[in-house]
Amino acid sequence: AIQLTQSPSSLSASVGDRVTITCRASQGISSALAWYQQKPGKAPKLLIYDASSLESGVPSRFSGSGSGTDFTLTISSLQPEDFATYYCQQFNSYPQWTFGQGTKVEIK
Amino acid sequence: QVQLVESGGGVVQPGGSLRLSCAASGFTFSSYGMHWVRQAPGKGLEWVAFIRYDGSNKYYADSVKGRFTISRDNSKNTLYLQMNSLRAEDTAVYYCAKDRRAAAGNWFDPWGQGTLVTVSS
Repeated sequence: AIQLTQSPSSLSASVGDRVTITCRASQGISSALAWYQQKPGKAPKLLIYDASSLESGVPSRFSGSGSGTDFTLTISSLQPEDFATYYCQQFNSYPQWTFGQGTKVEIK
Repeated sequence: QVQLVESGGGVVQPGGSLRLSCAASGFTFSSYGMHWVRQAPGKGLEWVAFIRYDGSNKYYADSVKGRFTISRDNSKNTLYLQMNSLRAEDTAVYYCAKDRRAAAGNWFDPWGQGTLVTVSS
């Protein structure tokens, strides 16, 4: 099974900071990667699909990049509403799907 | 507007059974594969099961294989998860989620609000 490893597991940042989260796959997954944002007590919300495609309605400060085994989610200027946990997910190995362990973004 | 609403969660004893439902609206339910995903308290997301749009194929995570059964009723726009032989480690919020494209094997969007299952004596 393909495993996804996110780093860091948590980070502290200030409003306006540039934040980068990494997701590494245990084997190549082409561009079959999505990113989700989850706030406490809420369902995950799709941000990015196909590694770099921005979901409609998601602010342009979010961007994704990468292919193969190494991927990044970047928030160009962190806003108060961005404090949340972020998950990557691979959908290359149908019919098995896996998530990274999550990255919690906290206020510094 | 696409909407998924889960129900059926609750407290059940170890070894017991529970059936979750997910009512779908706002899209052609019979054209899309559907998933169950769970999240244990304070933990990350774990994919649980998938069913193709017509119910012809079903797939499970190893952690639930042989104990959980995913099904759907396209006439009622409803997804189900029958959970048997429940264990303490099955305690989690269970989300249903729509496979994004009609062809299976994609990302999940949207997700329901989740329903909490607690396995405890």
